[in-house]
Amino acid sequence: EDQVTQSPEALRLQEGESSSLNCSYTVSGLRGLFWYRQDPGKGPEFLFTLYSAGEEKEKERLKATLTKKESFLHITAPKPEDSATYLCAVQEGDYKLSFGAGTTVTVRA
Amino acid sequence: GAVVSQHPSWVICKSGTSVKIECRSLDFQATTMFWYRQFPKQSLMLMATSNEGSKATYEQGVEKDKFLINHASLTLSTLTVTSAHPEDSSFYICSAPDQYTNTDTQYFGPGTRLTVL
Repeated sequence: EDQVTQSPEALRLQEGESSSLNCSYTVSGLRGLFWYRQDPGKGPEFLFTLYSAGEEKEKERLKATLTKKESFLHITAPKPEDSATYLCAVQEGDYKLSFGAGTTVTVRA
Repeated sequence: GAVVSQHPSWVICKSGTSVKIECRSLDFQATTMFWYRQFPKQSLMLMATSNEGSKATYEQGVEKDKFLINHASLTLSTLTVTSAHPEDSSFYICSAPDQYTNTDTQYFGPGTRLTVL
């Protein structure tokens, strides 16, 4: 059974204080690893897809990396608008996603 | 990115009534859509896979007679919560993969907040 574990559960940052979120996974055959951002009361917003170890993707202050067992989402010099819950999900086949519990990030001005 | 819409965005109903939630892919066709539910401060739990032109596939523990899914066209899937009870109160979210861009990326709708009194 797929397992996706995200840490930490919550992260409180000062504006400009860079940090990283972790997503560790155990799947028999990874088809893709996805990062989403979810604001309260809204659906997840797509951020990145990573397919193979060593792959990296960037978008503004966010950078996602992938190894054979985990993925990191790095937030560089965060701003208050980066406050959200960040969800990691793995796809093994047939488009079905297994989600982690998420990391709730709060960035204080 | 592709856009998925849901209607309604929120609904309040009495116990015992049925509620229908629509999920539409606005700028792409989706032969497959997914329905999730999310309880407060928890992650998304997959309920079922909706397949255009065939029966939905339900995850273990999800009652198919209670959560009726109909994938009427390549852009519309509906979830009907039958005989709703307070424990069915949750945030329901649909998603659809943009299968024609070869990226496997799933796009999510904005969600529907269901409150059963």
